[in-house]
Amino acid sequence: GQQVMQIPQYQHVQEGEDFTTYCNSSTTLSNIQWYKQRPGGHPVFLIQLVKSGEVKKQKRLTFQFGEAKKNSSLHITATQTTDVGTYFCAGPEFSGGSNYKLTFGKGTLLTMNP
Amino acid sequence: EAQVTQNPRYLITVTGKKLTVTCSQNMNHEYMSWYRQDPGLGLRQIYYSMNVEVTDKGDVPEGYKVSRKEKRNFPLILESPSPNQTSLYFCASSLRGGGVESPLHFGNGTRLTVT
Repeated sequence: GQQVMQIPQYQHVQEGEDFTTYCNSSTTLSNIQWYKQRPGGHPVFLIQLVKSGEVKKQKRLTFQFGEAKKNSSLHITATQTTDVGTYFCAGPEFSGGSNYKLTFGKGTLLTMNP
Repeated sequence: EAQVTQNPRYLITVTGKKLTVTCSQNMNHEYMSWYRQDPGLGLRQIYYSMNVEVTDKGDVPEGYKVSRKEKRNFPLILESPSPNQTSLYFCASSLRGGGVESPLHFGNGTRLTVT
């Protein structure tokens, strides 16, 4: 089946440093979603990218979807303590009939010195 | 407030004692799903339901049952829990399309410990 891989698994930064997590799929994706999970919390939807080469920004967060629609990245500029958490990418996988489901990467845990 | 509600938040039980984790959403979502989250393994899908008529296995269905008798509820049933089912469980829903066309909304999670 489809595999969605994320790197790095862990990233520790100093507050103010930039952070990037990468997501790669074994298959071409129709779209990709990103979620954030704060420590002790639940995943929360951040954004969905649909078009080849698409770039979207949310304040200090920049999301990119690769030209081949098999990879994506999330870049955070000048990290803040509120950015701490695990970032997941998720891509749709055909699950039979006309049904699709989301396959999640294993996530990148972002930690920071207090 | 639009939300996915799971209960209980924490549960400690013993091997073999049947349990049910409830999940309810108030957003009239068609799609509902259960995930388990384990360190280093990310989110793995247990079961999903496209609508009240369609329920199917996810990636790790062994040892679990679900039912979708009505649109808003999707309970997760462990008939005979075992220690390897100790995990953090999330229920999620989306308007339609398996979370593909519209994003997933997650509940707050249920931390289950089986001794």
